[in-house]
Amino acid sequence: EPEVTQTPSHQVTQMGQEVILHCVPISNHLYFYWYRQILGQKVEFLVSFYNNEISEKSEIFDDQFSVERPDGSNFTLKIRSTKLEDSAMYFCASRPGQASNQPQHFGDGTRLSIL
Amino acid sequence: DQQVKQNSPSLSVQEGRISILNCDYTNSMFDYFLWYKKYPAEGPTFLISISSIKDKNEDGRFTVFLNKSAKHLSLHIVPSQPGDSAVYFCAAKTNSNTGKLIFGQGTTLQVKP
Repeated sequence: EPEVTQTPSHQVTQMGQEVILHCVPISNHLYFYWYRQILGQKVEFLVSFYNNEISEKSEIFDDQFSVERPDGSNFTLKIRSTKLEDSAMYFCASRPGQASNQPQHFGDGTRLSIL
Repeated sequence: DQQVKQNSPSLSVQEGRISILNCDYTNSMFDYFLWYKKYPAEGPTFLISISSIKDKNEDGRFTVFLNKSAKHLSLHIVPSQPGDSAVYFCAAKTNSNTGKLIFGQGTTLQVKP
């Protein structure tokens, strides 16, 4: 069964450094998402992406965050200058097409640790 | 933001019995609800969903019930198996095209052999 693939599984970065998290969504999917889960808290929506642009973003997704689909298969999340509070599990998700009542499929996440 | 709530952080049931996981929501604009299962070190795995126009959806051992007037949904697993032990998340989507999901806090289910 097709899967959403995320790399790396664990990223350790110094505070203030830039980090890029990588995702390969399921190949025929058109909608892409990033969520995060801080330890002990809920899974929170960060951003949705469709047709090469952001379709919705949360208040968490400030100017330090950006997303890109550089080559038609990868979907990346960049944090420009990381803060301690960015430490979390980051999940990428995708779903197929126009009908919005379709489940999103999630990757196994990247654990981001900011030191 | 408490739009989706799972008030029971944990549930323990005996193998073969029914597991009932509950979820409450506050936003009447939610039109699609999902249950995800999550094992440690893995991402959420889609389990079952229900549209707001229905009140029940069944898939094998899993049934989701939706009570719109009470803004409540539940997931029934019967019979429960030890492999069902995981964290279960309820999620809801508004009627926007972006498909953004709002998650509950999760309920940890332990099925004892």
